[in-house]
Amino acid sequence: AQTVTQSQPEMSVQEAETVTLSCTYDTSESDYYLFWYKQPPSRQMILVIRQEAYKQQNATENRFSVNFQKAAKSFSLKISDSQLGDAAMYFCAYAYGGSQGNLIFGKGTKLSVKP
Amino acid sequence: AAGVIQSPRHLIKEKRETATLKCYPIPRHDTVYWYQQGPGQDPQFLISFYEKMQSDKGSIPDRFSAQQFSDYHSELNMSSLELGDSALYFCASSRQGDSEQYFGPGTRLTVT
Repeated sequence: AQTVTQSQPEMSVQEAETVTLSCTYDTSESDYYLFWYKQPPSRQMILVIRQEAYKQQNATENRFSVNFQKAAKSFSLKISDSQLGDAAMYFCAYAYGGSQGNLIFGKGTKLSVKP
Repeated sequence: AAGVIQSPRHLIKEKRETATLKCYPIPRHDTVYWYQQGPGQDPQFLISFYEKMQSDKGSIPDRFSAQQFSDYHSELNMSSLELGDSALYFCASSRQGDSEQYFGPGTRLTVT
């Protein structure tokens, strides 16, 4: 069975600095997708970034980038130039690459941003 | 851009009552997923539908059932509600071949 592990229940970063959130996963599949979702206090689930397992290049979306290490089954999220609005719960998620793969989430990391 | 619509946004029920949650996917999205997020927990997959057929099943209790209709909207029916069913219920939708799931705002169910 696939599992997703986030070992940092809480993290804190100073505004304008950089923070990295960790995620590891376990799967025997070769075709899959990895995601980072942000859940602010409104509880809305917002997709931050997506990585296809077959792509070696790390995904980047503005201030958000990932470090995808397929052999190590590691998928960390780096947030650069942190802003107050980045404060939220961040969930790492895995989806099997077949059609209509459901998401398997980690337990989440609560990120605080200090002004 | 149109987003996933869920109704109602809040629902309060008593134990042993029934509840129906509705989900309207993004236009041209043919796949719907239901997730349950308990307090302080990560979302857990319940069930999914593709082209009106159940495509996958997760940790959905037997007391719950769901379906997807011809207009692609979906309903989650919950019977014999228990206190432990109190949670945020998300619906997400996607398009065939696209791995990205777009989440609705959720329905907050409180069972008293």
